[in-house]
Amino acid sequence: AQSVTQPDIHITVSEGASLELRCNYSYGATPYLFWYVQSPGQGLQLLLKYFSGDTLVQGIKGFEAEFKRSQSSFNLRKPSVHWSDAAEYFCAVGAVNDYKLSFGAGTTVTVRA
Amino acid sequence: GAVVSQHPSRVICKSGTSVKIECRSLDFQATTMFWYRQFPKQSLMLMATSNEGSKATYEQGVEKDKFLINHASLTLSTLTVTSAHPEDSSFYICSAHPAGTEAFFGQGTRLTVV
Repeated sequence: AQSVTQPDIHITVSEGASLELRCNYSYGATPYLFWYVQSPGQGLQLLLKYFSGDTLVQGIKGFEAEFKRSQSSFNLRKPSVHWSDAAEYFCAVGAVNDYKLSFGAGTTVTVRA
Repeated sequence: GAVVSQHPSRVICKSGTSVKIECRSLDFQATTMFWYRQFPKQSLMLMATSNEGSKATYEQGVEKDKFLINHASLTLSTLTVTSAHPEDSSFYICSAHPAGTEAFFGQGTRLTVV
């Protein structure tokens, strides 16, 4: 069975500081990995995805993530956070050719001025 | 990217009534759509897979008679919450995917049962 762990429930970061959100997954085969962002009361927006190839993936809004197979991790990073990055972030894993996803519990990011 | 639209965005209904939520793929056809449920400040849990022209596949623990899913066309799936009760209040989100790409999510529907 596939599962996703996001160890950090809530992170507070100062505007302009760097941000790293952790994600660990458990999956028996090659996973498809995703990071989504959700603003309050809204749907999910895809930040980036990893299917194969280069393990450092660039996404939208200045985010990047690195896939580390040996650590079963897919951590999300942003060098300099903006106030608009305050939101809920979800890591998700899926199987090849199976588009249903398993989500982590989410990490709430608060940005302080 | 592809667009998935949900309607309504929020709905309030009385306990014991039924409410229908629509999920549409606006610019692509989707033989499969997915319905998720999200409790406040929690993650998304897959409820069911909606299959065009056939029965939905429900995840373990999801009451198929409570959550009726119909996927009558390649662009529309509906989720009907029957005989709704306050514990059914939640945020419901659907997803669909164009062939060969990742899933795109609707805006979500906030259901409140009073």
